[in-house]
Amino acid sequence: SQQGEEDPQALSIQEGENATMNCSYKTSINNLQWYRQNSGRGLVHLILIRSNEREKHSGRLRVTLDTSKKSSSLLITASRAADTASYFCATDARNQGGKLIFGQGTELSVKP
Amino acid sequence: ETGVTQSPTHLIKTRGQQVTLRCSSQSGHNTVSWYQQALGQGPQFIFQYYREEENGRGNFPPRFSGLQFPNYSSELNVNALELDDSALYLCASAVGTNTEAFFGQGTRLTVV
Repeated sequence: SQQGEEDPQALSIQEGENATMNCSYKTSINNLQWYRQNSGRGLVHLILIRSNEREKHSGRLRVTLDTSKKSSSLLITASRAADTASYFCATDARNQGGKLIFGQGTELSVKP
Repeated sequence: ETGVTQSPTHLIKTRGQQVTLRCSSQSGHNTVSWYQQALGQGPQFIFQYYREEENGRGNFPPRFSGLQFPNYSSELNVNALELDDSALYLCASAVGTNTEAFFGQGTRLTVV
């Protein structure tokens, strides 16, 4: 079964708006990673946030992590049509040897 | 581009046949993981190899097997193919464990 649960399952916004996706998980983690996937092809690594970190930024991306609530969020600011994709969170759980457990993903549609 | 390459990109096999998928990891990476992604789902962990040894396995039957070679490239073998094996197979490489994992573009396997 999947550890991560993304919310919402689908999100439709206009270009220029911000998009927020949430991820909840169940067990203690070493880190949490966010990925983007276009049209069922390979996953593109966006950000890794470690369990002792609370927030990370990369360009227009901002990721937060709340280990007490076992949740993370990905914020994409000033979205573009090219951001249209599926977004997945993946947890690297403690004592699992580095395997990633993925959620079902959030399908983001950015309309021009 | 991540530097992780998978071959072939697409494959059609008949039920009962055997298939071998290949993955070249990014330069300097000694860990390779394989994932199966069914349509509309998040990737599911199959197994991981670290320095040529299996380092964890997901809930997949023994007919899913793998190898990692001294140059850290890897193969995924699936015997006695079933229709439900139709999926996108993703390979990810990393330096050690608990670090960023970078994915290839995947192999789309269709079993008919």
